[in-house]
Amino acid sequence: QVQLQESGPGLVKPSETLSLTCTVSGGSISSYYWSWIRQPAGKGLEWIGRIYTSGSTNYNPSLKSRVTMSVDTSKNQFSLKLSSVTAADTAVYYCARDLYDSSGYNWFDPWGQGTLVTVSS
Amino acid sequence: QSVLTQPPSASGTPGQRVTISCSGSSSNIGSNTVNWYQQLPGTAPKLLIYSNNQRPSGVPDRFSGSKSGTSASLAISGLQSEDEADYYCAAWDDSLNGQVFGGGTKLTVL
Repeated sequence: QVQLQESGPGLVKPSETLSLTCTVSGGSISSYYWSWIRQPAGKGLEWIGRIYTSGSTNYNPSLKSRVTMSVDTSKNQFSLKLSSVTAADTAVYYCARDLYDSSGYNWFDPWGQGTLVTVSS
Repeated sequence: QSVLTQPPSASGTPGQRVTISCSGSSSNIGSNTVNWYQQLPGTAPKLLIYSNNQRPSGVPDRFSGSKSGTSASLAISGLQSEDEADYYCAAWDDSLNGQVFGGGTKLTVL
């Protein structure tokens, strides 16, 4: 079955760019949407955005000015960059497959295990 | 402040039936389907219910979902200790053109 694994630095300095990669195994990355979701400690989930394997993206309006997503189908990977980070960006970051039914309604399955990114000097 | 509103906590004793509500608006729950995710302590969220009331393979039929208008509910019958977790509702929001989540409900099995 499809499995996702996030990777990237666990510590990022304020004002710098957070970069994470999600590696998809057990299946092809092609022809799906892929999302990033984050969760600050003790808080709820926040959708960051999604990318289709064609490169088409949708971002959370609250983060749009700082987010860039990309996909590398040859490596079965997709990536997240979040610029100008502050302590408020400290969170566990999850990647997830974004599934759609024939009516266009979506859900996330599966999820990666998550990776903690701390923003601190 | 989450776009979808859930009670912060819920509780029940083993064997009981509990429900968790999720309230939204016409731009999200009112016009799109609702999904529910279960997050056990220290783990990643897992899909529990999709398309309002569909269970993925492997999810016990003790879990059920429903939607009416701009609200949705998750029901758990025959409550078990392993159901103790955080539960999140989610839906696409047409106005924001993005996915929105509820703030989560912490379920305690007494």
